[in-house]
Amino acid sequence: DTAVSQTPKYLVTQMGNDKSIKCEQNLGHDTMYWYKQDSKKFLKIMFSYNNKELIINETVPNRFSPKSPDKAHLNLHINSLELGDSAVYFCASSQRGGRRTYEQYFGPGTRLTVT
Amino acid sequence: AQSVTQLGSHVSVSEGALVLLRCNYSSSVPPYLFWYVQYPNQGLQLLLKYTSAATLVKGINGFEAEFKKSETSFHLTKPSAHMSDAAEYFCAVTEYSSASKIIFGSGTRLSIRP
Repeated sequence: DTAVSQTPKYLVTQMGNDKSIKCEQNLGHDTMYWYKQDSKKFLKIMFSYNNKELIINETVPNRFSPKSPDKAHLNLHINSLELGDSAVYFCASSQRGGRRTYEQYFGPGTRLTVT
Repeated sequence: AQSVTQLGSHVSVSEGALVLLRCNYSSSVPPYLFWYVQYPNQGLQLLLKYTSAATLVKGINGFEAEFKKSETSFHLTKPSAHMSDAAEYFCAVTEYSSASKIIFGSGTRLSIRP
């Protein structure tokens, strides 16, 4: 009965490779997010989709490309991986209410290590 | 724009002692406020939320937080710390905008001494 799931949980790859992380939520929420958490635990929002429409696109290298095939899924593709991309990536979902969103529910995270 | 500030990147208390984690917010509109907990190697879990109802909010695992508008604070407390409370805690506020981001604080690491 996992609410927000991500695959894979661990990803070890070499510089220059391309990789994808998948996320799915079964909460019926209309908004999904990608966050990057660095080694100091700082959470940085990267992208957000509301009903398959991109609504947040923070200052992220264009090597990162999100894709939302439907409102229950949000994937993250990363091209030409660099050492600085090593981090934990979290997917989250929430339900919007007008100009605010309610609480977000997080996936277990994907620990990406670039060597 | 909304923001949150967590005072103290690391708090250490003895088992059985009071836990107090501080959070101050800035918002030009009535805020929605949250506390999340992150255990090692896990995702963030919602502890409690304030959405303009009762000012004293009770959450899971014996935690509670009080919304104080006059002090722009939303501090998290627990009367008696357990070893299992050791984790990273994040305060957050919902942005009031078309994008509807949640703005997270920088986190406070809670350590429990035996």
